[in-house]
Amino acid sequence: DAGVTQSPTHLIKTRGQHVTLRCSPISGHKSVSWYQQVLGQGPQFIFQYYEKEERGRGNFPDRFSARQFPNYSSELNVNALLLGDSALYLCASSLVIWGYDGGYTFGSGTRLTVV
Amino acid sequence: TQLLEQSPQFLSIQEGENLTVYCNSSSVFSSLQWYRQEPGEGPVLLVTVVTGGEVKKLKRLTFQFGDARKDSSLHITAAQPGDTGLYLCAGAGQNFVFGPGTRLSVLP
Repeated sequence: DAGVTQSPTHLIKTRGQHVTLRCSPISGHKSVSWYQQVLGQGPQFIFQYYEKEERGRGNFPDRFSARQFPNYSSELNVNALLLGDSALYLCASSLVIWGYDGGYTFGSGTRLTVV
Repeated sequence: TQLLEQSPQFLSIQEGENLTVYCNSSSVFSSLQWYRQEPGEGPVLLVTVVTGGEVKKLKRLTFQFGDARKDSSLHITAAQPGDTGLYLCAGAGQNFVFGPGTRLSVLP
């Protein structure tokens, strides 16, 4: 069984550009969450989607948006990139919302560098 | 806003030593999870604790959930170099929040 897959694995963008990150959850998992992890810190919650609906949003600006598709895959979009957006972006999938069934399975992340 | 604190922030020990890391909050969580993360990888779930006072063992790792479901501890017996990594606690409540992590280094 494939785990959570994220693409691309690494990305370099220029300030002001737009980026789209993609995530495919484990087959059968209906919940996808996005986290931002800055070097040396714990992951910070960005979005939670369950059954294609947004169920939670962290304290991030409106430049960050996401959506979940009918096949439960998800995209995270970031507009007008800032240097401070440089981070590891993690996608996590779970069977039910908030991982109440036993936690999240994380992908390996997308390393975004903004220059 | 629910917050989790972890201590210590950094820990460097010799192989064979025992250690305990702590996860604390002023908020009550319905469940708490521990993850281990290695450089360049996503966190990997170690355990989920749900009931106040619950103790779970995973080989040399012992996890405890506080009676009030506000705190948790992770105890490692006879640490090995393979235990090196970032240990994160995460709580499910209003949202799902992570602590800042404890970076453990086990020296051979």
